Amino acid sequence: NAGVMQNPRHLVRRRGQEARLRCSPMKGHSHVYWYRQLPEEGLKFMVYLQKENIIDESGMPKERFSAEFPKEGPSILRIQQVVRGDSAAYFCASSPLRTGGNSPLHFGNGTRLTVT
Amino acid sequence: GDSVTQMEGPVTLSEEAFLTINCTYTATGYPSLFWYVQYPGEGLQLLLKATKADDKGSNKGFEATYRKETTSFHLEKGSVQVSDSAVYFCALIYNFNKFYFGSGTKLNVKP
Repeated sequence: NAGVMQNPRHLVRRRGQEARLRCSPMKGHSHVYWYRQLPEEGLKFMVYLQKENIIDESGMPKERFSAEFPKEGPSILRIQQVVRGDSAAYFCASSPLRTGGNSPLHFGNGTRLTVT
Repeated sequence: GDSVTQMEGPVTLSEEAFLTINCTYTATGYPSLFWYVQYPGEGLQLLLKATKADDKGSNKGFEATYRKETTSFHLEKGSVQVSDSAVYFCALIYNFNKFYFGSGTKLNVKP
């Protein structure tokens, strides 16, 4: 009965490298959300996906960031050519199919990205 | 647009003190409301929820009542413990799977 699984827990990248963050939603959940949290700050919405479909990417930076949720496998948040300002905790959350709009989000423990 | 506003922290209390963390929301409609808690180094965990006006969510001694007339969902606990030290987020869901989070309130409880 695993919850939302994110890996890696910690990721260190040099400036200019690529970061790939993975998220496996809870069993039976088909909606995935990605949030970013800077140190001592709140959550910032990035993107909302369903299988093979991006529903809302209004919080994603226009460049270097992309997300996918393929038919098979985990959701991936990809950051190309990372910069120091990308250092943050990235949280994935999932929810089941719509059930009247009352379903809470279930969060993973996050990936802490450090760009050196 | 829709949004959630919660009181700024940090809030520092002594053990067994009474806790209130204010949360107000703006939404065109009837959102569901949540409180999440984040312990250091972890993700957010659902603490409690309320889905309609006058509902009271409760868990682990925490309570919050959905007040439509004041558009509020304040978190309360009668006697905090050191183990309650964490960051608390108020959130709402509206229009199916559209979530909004407050900025978080850090609670420090001293022995």
